[in-house]
This record gives sequence, C-alpha cells and structure tokens, in this order.
Amino acid sequence: AQTVTQSQPEMSVQEAETVTLSCTYDTSESNYYLFWYKQPPSRQMILVIRQEAYKQQNATENRFSVNFQKAAKSFSLKISDSQLGDTAMYFCAFIAAEYGNKLVFGAGTILRVKS
Amino acid sequence: GAGVSQSPRYKVAKRGQDVALRCDPISGHVSLFWYQQALGQGPEFLTYFQNEAQLDKSGLPSDRFFAERPEGSVSTLKIQRTQQEDSAVYLCASKSGLAGVYEQYFGPGTRLTVT
Repeated sequence: AQTVTQSQPEMSVQEAETVTLSCTYDTSESNYYLFWYKQPPSRQMILVIRQEAYKQQNATENRFSVNFQKAAKSFSLKISDSQLGDTAMYFCAFIAAEYGNKLVFGAGTILRVKS
Repeated sequence: GAGVSQSPRYKVAKRGQDVALRCDPISGHVSLFWYQQALGQGPEFLTYFQNEAQLDKSGLPSDRFFAERPEGSVSTLKIQRTQQEDSAVYLCASKSGLAGVYEQYFGPGTRLTVT
C-alpha cells in the first residue's frame, strides 16, 4: 500500500519570500507520478505541479518547483516570491502508473502568506 | 464543459435521509473518480469509472454508498440512510483517456452535512 506523509500541518511565509513544503511517500512501485495540489478556501482543488518518477530532472512551473529525491522518497514543493493568493491548503499526492485509478493524498499543509 | 462541475454545492440532510450528488466531468474525459474529504484531511478515494464501467469501488465505506455513470458522462453518488459520519466534502474528478496522462481535474465539491 502507498502512503503519503506531510509532516507540516501549518506554515507561514512573508509575501515575496520563499517557502518549502515537505512530503515523503512510501511505495514499492517503480513507475509512479507525484503531484502537488492547491486547495484554496473556495475548495476547488487545483493542480500545481507534477513529477514523473522516471525523470531525474525536477519539475518547474513558474514560481513553483519541486525537489524530487527518489531514493529518499521525498518530494518537496518550493514556492518562490510568495503571493497572498498562494494562501491555501497544499496536498501532496501519489499515483502508481500500474494502478492509475486512484490518487493517494497526504493530510495537507496549510500555507498562510502574510503581507 | 470548461471544468468539472458538481451539484449541489451544499446539502443538509437529516439522519436517515437519502441523498444524491451529481458530477459533470470535463467533456471527453473517460475516467471519473469520487473522493471523500473529511474536515481538515486529505481526500480519500471512493470509486472510479472508465466510461460507464465502475472498475474500482474499493473505497466505498459501506453498502449505503452507491455510484453510477450510466451513459459514460454524468455520474451520481448516492448515499442511503445517511449517518452523521457521512458528513464530509465529496469531490469528483475526471481524467482524459490519453496514455501516460495521470492528472485528475477536480470539481468544487459538495459539502454534505448530516444533522
């Protein structure tokens, strides 16, 4: 069974600063995908970034980047130049390619961006 | 459509009542998923459809939960004889059928409160 752990229940960061959210996962699968989703208070879950396990290069999407350490089963999210609109719950999620029918989510990290 | 839509956004039911929650996936998406999100937690998988076929219902918590997608587009999640522990946000997600695509796109959810 796969598990995803987010050890930081809450984080805060000053506007324009950089923050890193942690995520670790456990799996015996070799082919899988990892995602970070953002859920603002409006509840709409928004895909932020994805990483294929077979790719060594870390994914980047504008101000969002990941640090994917496959051996350590670690998948952290770095948000640069934080903006007030980044305030949300962030979920790390895992999906095994062979069983690509369910996302396994962590418990989430609440990120508050302060002005 | 432009995105996944769900209705109603909010539902209050008295214990013992039956409820039906609707999901309209992104047009053309063959895969549809239901998740249950308890307050302050990450979503948990309930069930999965590929077109009209329900391929995985391993996450449904009891036989009071039933989902269908008769024509391979709109899906309904039905909960019979609701209990207080059923109070949660129910999220629907859809995914394209393209090979190697694993991203799921979520709707805004239905918040169910059982009193």
